[in-house]
Amino acid sequence: AQSVAQPEDQVNVAEGNPLTVKCTYSVSGNPYLFWYVQYPNRGLQFLLKYITGDNLVKGSYGFEAEFNKSQTSFHLKKPSALVSDSALYFCAVRDIYNQGGKLIFGQGTELSVKP
Amino acid sequence: DVKVTQSSRYLVKRTGEKVFLECVQDMDHENMFWYRQDPGLGLRLIYFSYDVKMKEKGDIPEGYSVSREKKERFSLILESASTNQTSMYLCASSPVKLARDRETQYFGPGTRLLVL
Repeated sequence: AQSVAQPEDQVNVAEGNPLTVKCTYSVSGNPYLFWYVQYPNRGLQFLLKYITGDNLVKGSYGFEAEFNKSQTSFHLKKPSALVSDSALYFCAVRDIYNQGGKLIFGQGTELSVKP
Repeated sequence: DVKVTQSSRYLVKRTGEKVFLECVQDMDHENMFWYRQDPGLGLRLIYFSYDVKMKEKGDIPEGYSVSREKKERFSLILESASTNQTSMYLCASSPVKLARDRETQYFGPGTRLLVL
């Protein structure tokens, strides 16, 4: 079965420090991987995706993610965190066996950036 | 810009009531989805549709039904609301299936439903 895991419920970072939000996946075949962000009382916003190609993917708001096939990971990173990055982050993988583009989401990681 | 709208941001209903949650997208997307979001559980797929009048069960369809009579509109129906259906409901849409360069779901702002 395909699945996504976000091992940390919460990540705390000081403003200006680098941040990493972890994601590991389990799929058959080549994965399509996504990161979404949810600000308080808002829907999910797309950040970035890996479909194929370069393992380092750049996305919105200065975020990037590195696809690592050997470690089955797709960690989200940012070189210098901002207080405004505080939000709930979701990793997701596309269900390749489903023709409707169904996504399987991790449980989410709450990122807190303190001044 | 893609826009996905949901009919209500907040909704309070009583146990046993029939509840309709409406979702509309303006980008002519074929695929539409309904999720519920609960703390610690992430997003769980309730139903999805990849064409008008087509629907498929997701991971947690019990207690819900859906309707897609027009391409732009996807409705979630709680036939008889129960307290365990108190949750945040998110609608999403995405373009043509299996189009690798367009593989992105776009989400609405969510409806926070409280069932008393």
